[in-house]
Amino acid sequence: AQSVTQLDSHVSVSEGTPVLLRCNYSSSYSPSLFWYVQHPNKGLQLLLKYTSAATLVKGINGFEAEFKKSETSFHLTKPSAHMSDAAEYFCVVSGIGNDMRFGAGTRLTVKP
Amino acid sequence: ETGVTQTPRHLVMGMTNKKSLKCEQHLGHNAMYWYKQSAKKPLELMFVYSLEERVENNSVPSRFSPECPNSSHLFLHLHTLQPEDSALYLCASSQGTSGDFANTGELFFGEGSRLTVL
Repeated sequence: AQSVTQLDSHVSVSEGTPVLLRCNYSSSYSPSLFWYVQHPNKGLQLLLKYTSAATLVKGINGFEAEFKKSETSFHLTKPSAHMSDAAEYFCVVSGIGNDMRFGAGTRLTVKP
Repeated sequence: ETGVTQTPRHLVMGMTNKKSLKCEQHLGHNAMYWYKQSAKKPLELMFVYSLEERVENNSVPSRFSPECPNSSHLFLHLHTLQPEDSALYLCASSQGTSGDFANTGELFFGEGSRLTVL
C-alpha cells in the first residue's frame, strides 16, 4: 500500500520569496513521485516527476523537488515566487499498475 | 488546446435526470481515466480504461456508468444522482497501458466538468 501526505493545506508567500511545499510519502515499493499543479477552473498539469534517476528533479516554471529516501519526503521548492504560481499543488505517489495516490493538495497564495 | 477536451464544462441536474459527460483526447494515448474532485478531499480515481477495456472500477456506485467506444472517447453516464455527487469530474489520459503506467506516470488532464446535483 502507498500513501502521500501534504503537510500544509495552505501556504502563503510574498512575491519574490522562496516557496516550499511539503510532501511525505509511504510506499512498499520503490515509488515514482510527481507534483501536479491546478490553476483555478483548469485541469491538473504535470510539474515534475521522479522515477529513480537523479534525486534532484527540475520541472517547469522554475520548480524543483528533491527525493529524500531517508526522510520519505519529496518537497517542492522554487527560489522566487511569481504571482502566476498561485494555484493548488498535488503530490502524487505511484507504484505498480494504476495505484496512483494523490495528496489532498496545498493551496499556494502569492501576495504582491 | 489542452489535448484532452471535456464537455460540458458546467452541468446542473436534478436527482431524477439522466445526463452524460464527454471526454475526448487528441494525443493518441492508450488509457483514459475518470477522477472525482470534491472540496477538501484527495482526487478519487473512479474508472480506468486501457485499450478500450475497463481495467479498474474503484467501487463506484452504479448510478455512474462509464463508456469507452474507442481509444479517443470516454463518457460518464449519470442517472439518479445524489447531491453529494456534486463535484468536479476530471478526465485524463496517459500514453501507457496499465502494465507500464507506473513507469510513464504522466497523466494529461482535461479542464473538468463541474457537476451540481440539486
